[in-house]
Amino acid sequence: DTEVTQTPKHLVMGMTNKKSLKCEQHMGHRAMYWYKQKAKKPPELMFVYSYEKLSINESVPSRFSPECPNSSLLNLHLHALQPEDSALYLCASSRRTSGTYNEQFFGPGTRLTVL
Amino acid sequence: QQQVKQSPQSLIVQKGGISIINCAYENTAFDYFPWYQQFPGKGPALLIAIRPDVSEKKEGRFTISFNKSAKQFSLHIMDSQPGDSATYFCAASQSPFGNEKLTFGTGTRLTIIP
Repeated sequence: DTEVTQTPKHLVMGMTNKKSLKCEQHMGHRAMYWYKQKAKKPPELMFVYSYEKLSINESVPSRFSPECPNSSLLNLHLHALQPEDSALYLCASSRRTSGTYNEQFFGPGTRLTVL
Repeated sequence: QQQVKQSPQSLIVQKGGISIINCAYENTAFDYFPWYQQFPGKGPALLIAIRPDVSEKKEGRFTISFNKSAKQFSLHIMDSQPGDSATYFCAASQSPFGNEKLTFGTGTRLTIIP
């Protein structure tokens, strides 16, 4: 299995809702990432989990809350989002072991719309 | 110093032609340079990558040329096909263990016309 899966594919939520995005990989990768991508822009790093521990938080607002229950799963909990948070949310994973480079594999993304 | 500059912003190439996208970086600690291909509504897909110890890497119709002294690298797509129409991002990274970040270029929207 060489892919990163994300659910749901599309999500529409109101500003008072609570929802979660899910990401899964079965490649044995030990680093997992959340990115946000706006139209016609490159992906923007939000969080990095390395060996199930949060290693990078790019000053993301607290209405985004990541969680890594185990080495294969990554969640992003959403609460009280703003319309400007509408974007494609991408999950990625990489091997992150000695001697390897930062080869990141991306999932298909969740298209989030905040009304 | 963390920036990766990418050009052109958009590119139109005739079918069968060569598409060339260029990137430049400042941080000499970067040691891994991947290219990603992204179709509308999909996640970026790793296309090809190079390390600074080689000047060129070829995979099928895709070639990366790397100029360490100029701190530049480029993607060449030979015999460009309409199915290559996508947005391409170059990126750069330092070795893991302490820095898992990918620094992306701004992207090039490539259109291949028949």
